[in-house]
Formats: sequence, structure tokens, C-alpha cells
Amino acid sequence: GQNIDQPTEMTATEGAIVQINCTYQTSGFNGLFWYQQHAGEAPTFLSYNVLDGLEEKGRFSSFLSRSKGYSYLLLKELQMKDSASYLCAGGLNFNKFYFGSGTKLNVKP
Amino acid sequence: DVKVTQSSRYLVKRTGEKVFLECVQDMDHENMFWYRQDPGLGLRLIYFSYDVKMKEKGDIPEGYSVSREKKERFSLILESASTNQTSMYLCASSQYRDRVYNEQFFGPGTRLTVL
Repeated sequence: GQNIDQPTEMTATEGAIVQINCTYQTSGFNGLFWYQQHAGEAPTFLSYNVLDGLEEKGRFSSFLSRSKGYSYLLLKELQMKDSASYLCAGGLNFNKFYFGSGTKLNVKP
Repeated sequence: DVKVTQSSRYLVKRTGEKVFLECVQDMDHENMFWYRQDPGLGLRLIYFSYDVKMKEKGDIPEGYSVSREKKERFSLILESASTNQTSMYLCASSQYRDRVYNEQFFGPGTRLTVL
């Protein structure tokens, strides 16, 4: 199947670093995507990994290990505006995505 | 900027009504998608379309149909709305390039309540 697991909720402090994990159980995924979704808004694209390793994009980095079915999103220098849900999605056949249920991140002062 | 628009932000319908949700994108994308988003279940794919008049079932197509008569427009149809179809509906679009991933761009969503 395409089970994608993420923690339901996390809390972190402004200025800190937080890592949001995503595990998946499928051999069919050939890409792993991360989206951010603020409450009441549409998801917006953050990053994706096709190959193993770390992809860095400013304060956000994403890591993928295909052999372990594991990815994480790393957020540095947390800001209050980073409070949102973070969705992990596995890509299938270069077009379809399967989304996890999302991790709600609460950033506290 | 890519723009994906949906016809309504909020919609209230009665059980048994036929419901149309419209989605329009302005970036000439080949792929268009309909998802529903429910607490604890994440986004689940209902249908997607990779070309005009082409469609493919997603994970939860039961009770839904779609129409894509023009490249920029993708409609989701609830033939006879039921209370378990109360949800947030999100439309998305993406470009198609062979063997290359392209990010999906989402519309603002339609929160549908079926009474």
C-alpha cells in the first residue's frame, strides 16, 4: 500500500530547530514532497527529493533515504509564521501524489 | 504566478442534491486533480485528469464524477450529495513532463457542508 506516517502534532520554540519525520511503506514511490499548509489556506510546495540525501533551501532542508522509506523536513531558526501543518507526500509515476495526514507544528515564543 | 481558482469557498447543500465544484487554472497545465481533506486523514485523491476528456480514478472515487471539457477547467460532480461528503475539497494542477516530477499548485479550497 501507500501508507505514509507522520507525527500528528509537534511544538517547538521560536529560534529553535525542529525535525519533522515521515516514513512510508511502498516500493513504488520515486519522489518525496513536502508541503506547508497554514490553517484555512491551500497547501504550498516546500521541497522535494528524488535522490537520497539532503536538499537545502534557505531555512528549510529535506532529507530522503529510499532504502529506509524515510524522509524528514528540517526547519531552522523557527519563526512564529512557521506555525502550520506540514504534509509529506509520496510521488507515484511522476504525476500522482499520496499525502500523509500532516504534522501540525506549533511555534511558541 | 500560477493561479488555481475554485468557484466557491463555502457551500451548503442538502442531501440528494447534485453539486458541481469548479476549478480553473491559468498556466496551461496538463494535469489537474481533485482531493478531499478531512481531519486525521490528510488529502485523499478523488480523481485526476492528464488531458482534456481524460480522467483516472484516485483512491476514493465512489460518489463522485468529473468532467474536463477544456484544458483549463476541471469539474467535480457529486451526483447525489450525502452527509459523508461534507469535507474540504481542494483542486490542484501541475505541468506534465515525461519522467520528471512537477509540483502541484493548489486552489484555496471549497468547504462543502451537506445537511
